[in-house]
Amino acid sequence: NAGVTQTPKFRVLKTGQSMTLLCAQDMNHEYMYWYRQDPGMGLRLIHYSVGEGTTAKGEVPDGYNVSRLKKQNFLLGLESAAPSQTSVYFCASKRTGMNTEAFFGQGTRLTVV
Amino acid sequence: KQEVTQIPAALSVPEGENLVLNCSFTDSAIYNLQWFRQDPGKGLTSLLLIQSSQREQTSGRLNASLDKSSGRSTLYIAASQPGDSATYLCAVTTNAGKSTFGDGTTLTVKP
Repeated sequence: NAGVTQTPKFRVLKTGQSMTLLCAQDMNHEYMYWYRQDPGMGLRLIHYSVGEGTTAKGEVPDGYNVSRLKKQNFLLGLESAAPSQTSVYFCASKRTGMNTEAFFGQGTRLTVV
Repeated sequence: KQEVTQIPAALSVPEGENLVLNCSFTDSAIYNLQWFRQDPGKGLTSLLLIQSSQREQTSGRLNASLDKSSGRSTLYIAASQPGDSATYLCAVTTNAGKSTFGDGTTLTVKP
């Protein structure tokens, strides 16, 4: 049982390039989330999804797009990478319900030069 | 806006010591509070989730308490071990389903 898997684990981009981060979960969870983690700022929510085919903006959505075409996958796209998007990105998923635990992926370390 | 603070930012203790990590939040209208562990270069692992109606939760050597009215939670670790060295984060979830994370406390347990 893999849980939450993120691909890739590391990536270096040049300013202006685009890329897609993939999150896959095998727990049949309805909810999925993308966060970024930066020193001194905690984890901040970028976008989230409460089910297949639905997405919503989080706290810091600008410069990112997401898609949830399949229940098990949640994709995060960077349209035109900027140095300010250098960060560690985490995907998380959880079952329906407020008092359910969130499961996190291992993270993707992205550097934009 | 909910703000979550964890003090201290770093803590170093000798093996075997009991210790307490603190988490405070500004808006007491929370639905639950969750404690996570994060090892270097890894994702977050859930340790304990306390519902707003609960006062504490226990798992092995870990005990988390919640005082909603004062906006505080503590994570108590008994008989600390070097393997407990990690960063511990707390996150509060509001009734609207939004989660806010603290910056974490980095714990080092020295053999």
